[in-house]
Amino acid sequence: QEQLQESGPRLVKPSETLSLTCNVSGASMRTYYWTWIRQSPGKGLEWIAHISHSGKTNYNPSLKSRVTLSVDTAKSHFSLFLNSVTAADTAIYFCARDDTVGNFDLWGQGIPVAVSS
Amino acid sequence: IQLTQSPSSLSASIGDRVTITCRASQDVKKFLAWYQQKPGKAPVLLISSASNLRGGVPSRFSGSGSGTDFTLTISGLQSEDLATYYCQHLLTYPYSFGQGTKLEVQ
Repeated sequence: QEQLQESGPRLVKPSETLSLTCNVSGASMRTYYWTWIRQSPGKGLEWIAHISHSGKTNYNPSLKSRVTLSVDTAKSHFSLFLNSVTAADTAIYFCARDDTVGNFDLWGQGIPVAVSS
Repeated sequence: IQLTQSPSSLSASIGDRVTITCRASQDVKKFLAWYQQKPGKAPVLLISSASNLRGGVPSRFSGSGSGTDFTLTISGLQSEDLATYYCQHLLTYPYSFGQGTKLEVQ
């Protein structure tokens, strides 16, 4: 059964770095793009970035200066690093699979992350 | 690219035909998907390429449109269709989503 599972701290202090990992099970990491999407009451669903199994990335320009993605196919996971966080980065963060044309056909359950001192 | 959904919310009865619209700020051809999100859950892909029903999605769901105007139709509303529905364009980066349509079942 194909599954994605997010993990990481649920509370991050302002100005620090948000770090999340998405574990991929039951699916090959080849062929697809691996994506981070967040959801907040104020901004709705927001595409953050994606990464291929080979490390090719595309970022949302609104976040590009603060975002880094990494992938480890041997461990079947990929990660999000968002630096210099503020309260505006408080959201539910989802990892998702992009079928390479932009359809998100598999999602993690989401992890709520709050930015607060 | 901005996507504007209407209505933002609606209430309908079991068995009703429900239509949700999504308007794009520029031509996205047929590069549009629809998702269903139930409370506390992740979105689920319903329709890709504007009108292609994904596997396992009930046939009462359908999508149509191209260019800037799209619709999601539920023919014969069921109680389990209580959810928020989102459109998403796939034309170029950055992908973006509509603001959502919250569907309440009377």
